[in-house]
Amino acid sequence: DEQLVESGGGLVQPGRSLRVSCTGSGFNFGDYGLNWFRQAPGKGLEWVSFIRSRAYGRTTEYAASVKGRFISSRDDSKSIAYLQMSSLKTEDTAVYYCSRIRGEYQLPSYWFFDLWGRGTLVTVSS
Amino acid sequence: QSVLTQPPSVSGAPGQSVTISCTGSNSNIGAGYEVHWYQQLPRTAPKLLIFGHNIRPSGVPDRLSGSKSGTSASLVIAGLQAEDEADYYCQSYDNSLSSWVFGGGTKLTVL
Repeated sequence: DEQLVESGGGLVQPGRSLRVSCTGSGFNFGDYGLNWFRQAPGKGLEWVSFIRSRAYGRTTEYAASVKGRFISSRDDSKSIAYLQMSSLKTEDTAVYYCSRIRGEYQLPSYWFFDLWGRGTLVTVSS
Repeated sequence: QSVLTQPPSVSGAPGQSVTISCTGSNSNIGAGYEVHWYQQLPRTAPKLLIFGHNIRPSGVPDRLSGSKSGTSASLVIAGLQAEDEADYYCQSYDNSLSSWVFGGGTKLTVL
């Protein structure tokens, strides 16, 4: 079965850092781009970042709300993607989901997300 | 507040049909971007149900269908079953935000 599993969430103080991971199995992880979304308590899904596949240079993009603080990376040999979060703010509190991109050969506006993890909860609080 | 607007809840009896609406604007659905639908059961990962307005991935039953008109889209679930009870989300792309956007989710209750 194809699967994505997030891990690494937890309670962290404002201003500190945390790294969450997304581990894939059952498919050729390196062939796919990956997106990170988050969902704050009682709010809708918000795009955070993406990292493209090796075929597209593993390039990254970030939402304005996290640019300069979050870094996406991946280790295809381990089938893991990472989201390194720094200078965390209380408003970063959310469940963080990774998802697999379909249609990467097209413009990003055509992408959709055909495999998701269950998410990992990040709570930023003093 | 989500960019795409969905009703918070819908309900129907087993065997009936329900429609979940997704209303956007001229910067997303109305601009011609495709609409995709996801199902999320409690404590599980979201699952892709419909992509490209009305294409079902393998394994998704044909009693689910999607449509789009103007700045809105709809998901129809026919022949409701107890297993359909879940949260449903629509997704598109917004060119003013340069980002993928979602509806706030609709909770389907099978009576």
